[in-house]
Amino acid sequence: DGGITQSPKYLFRKEGQNVTLSCEQNLNHDAMYWYRQDPGQGLRLIYYSQIVNDFQKGDIAEGYSVSREKKESFPLTVTSAQKNPTAFYLCASSIDPRSAYEQYFGPGTRLTVT
Amino acid sequence: KNEVEQSPQNLTAQEGEFITINCSYSVGISALHWLQQHPGGGIVSLFMLSSGKKKHGRLIATINIQEKHSSLHITASHPRDSAVYICAVIDTDKLIFGTGTRLQVFP
Repeated sequence: DGGITQSPKYLFRKEGQNVTLSCEQNLNHDAMYWYRQDPGQGLRLIYYSQIVNDFQKGDIAEGYSVSREKKESFPLTVTSAQKNPTAFYLCASSIDPRSAYEQYFGPGTRLTVT
Repeated sequence: KNEVEQSPQNLTAQEGEFITINCSYSVGISALHWLQQHPGGGIVSLFMLSSGKKKHGRLIATINIQEKHSSLHITASHPRDSAVYICAVIDTDKLIFGTGTRLQVFP
């Protein structure tokens, strides 16, 4: 079955620790995206990648880092510099890197930092 | 003011009722997505449309580009339709999301 997997579903960390969220897709999509979702707000774009070894900052990239060493994988690291890291994180991919059409979403990871 | 506004924010209905969720946007767009987010958090794309109307089962989506408005209708609603419905507009190379409409359908 083709799709996007994110792991783990729930993640707990202490303040000051970096944490890496996994996102893998077997859809052969070129473009991948990371979003953050907070209560009462729409999804906000953190980073996106249109091709392997290249990525761009989204609207709220501060305190986050990404890598795109393989087409299938786009891990997101939440660093200790991120002021409010507790949120629901969604990864998405799309076949066409030139546009945001037809984005497929993963199941999400809920990160809690205390 | 948000670029994408949804109404209502919360909606409750009895099983069988006809549901309408509205989305208004202020930016020029190439297309609009309607997405469904279930309590577990995963998001599924329901429709992508750039003009007119699309229908899939009990779901109907319409868009009026001139008025910058879209509606999602659910006919004969069912408790399994309970979810958050999110409107997202495609502005060149990125999606701009509304805050969602939480729908609860009671038996």
